[in-house]
This record gives sequence, C-alpha cells and structure tokens, in this order.
Amino acid sequence: AQSVTQLGSHVSVSEGALVLLRCNYSSSVPPYLFWYVQYPNQGLQLLLKYTSAATLVKGINGFEAEFKKSETSFHLTKPSAHMSDAAEYFCAVSDTGTASKLTFGTGTRLQVTL
Amino acid sequence: EAEVAQSPRYKITEKSQAVAFWCDPISGHATLYWYRQILGQGPELLVQFQDESVVDDSQLPKDRFSAERLKGVDSTLKIQPAELGDSAMYLCASSRGLAGRQETQYFGPGTRLLVL
Repeated sequence: AQSVTQLGSHVSVSEGALVLLRCNYSSSVPPYLFWYVQYPNQGLQLLLKYTSAATLVKGINGFEAEFKKSETSFHLTKPSAHMSDAAEYFCAVSDTGTASKLTFGTGTRLQVTL
Repeated sequence: EAEVAQSPRYKITEKSQAVAFWCDPISGHATLYWYRQILGQGPELLVQFQDESVVDDSQLPKDRFSAERLKGVDSTLKIQPAELGDSAMYLCASSRGLAGRQETQYFGPGTRLLVL
C-alpha cells in the first residue's frame, strides 16, 4: 500500500527564512506525488505535482519540490517565507492509474513569525 | 474560475440524527471524490465516482454512510444515524477523469460537521 510520512507536525520559521517541509513516500511502483495547502476552514489547493517528468517541480507562490528516488523523498521548499504562507501543508501520493485516489500524510502546520 | 461547490459549510447535529451533504463538481468533471478529514489528520477517501458509478467505496462505513451521484453530476453524502466520531470536515473533490492521465483533483471548501 502506498503511504507518505510528513516529518514534523509543526514547523516555525521567521519571515524571510527558508521553508523546508519534509515528505517521504512508500510505494511499490513509481508514484505521482503532490503537495496541497489548506488555509483555516477552507478546502485544499494544489501547490505542485510530480508526474515522472522533471524531478524538480515548481509550483505556485514560489514553492518547489524535488523528487529524489534514492531517498524516497519529495520535500517542499521556498527560499523566503512570507506571512501569508502560514497554513497546513499536506503531501499526497497516488499510483499511476487514471483518476486514482490520493493518500495524504498527516500534514505539517507552518507558522511564520516576524 | 470554476470551483467545486459544497453545502452546507457548517452543520451541527445531535447523535442518532440524519445529515446530508451536497457537492457540485466543476462542470465536465467525470470523477468525483468524497474525503473525510478528522481534525489534525490528512483527508481520507470515503468514496469515488466515475460519472454515476462507484469506483471505490472500500473505506465508506456502509452501515451508516451512503453516497449517490444519480445523474453523474452533483452528489449527496448521507450519514444516518450520526455518531460522535463522525465529527470532521467532509471534502468533495473532482477531476476530469480522462483515461490514461493522472489529473489534478480540485477541492471544494468542505462541510464541517459537529455531532453533539
């Protein structure tokens, strides 16, 4: 069964500092990987996705993630945090079938301080 | 920009009562998903539709939960009777569902359920 593990349920960074949110996956086949963001009392918004093309994926709002097969990782980064980045971030995995379900991690809450 | 619509946004009910949630996916999206998100956890798939057919309902508690998408467009998720442990956010998502492609799932704002 596929799964993702997000290390760190809470991450706090200063405004302007590097954001690093960790995600490791477990899959028996090459997976598709996603990062979603959720603001309070809202649905999930896609930040970026990896679908076996380039290993470095750029997303919205300045975020990017790198797929590393040797480390089974798909960590999310942003060079400079902004106050508006404070939210819950979810890593998710699906298999390569059509319209497959997403299996989500438990989420990481990002806090951005002045 | 097209969005997934859900209603109600919030629902408070007493245990043993029936509740229903409605979802209208993005126009033209063949695949519709219902997820449940318990506080502090990631969403978990309850049921997946392809047009009007159920593709996956393996995690749906069928003794109390039911879902339908009669005309392959909007969908209703029902809980009867509600239990305290059903308190959660219920998220609806849709995707185009084209064969041979992994596509983005677009999420609605969710319905937050509180069972007292």
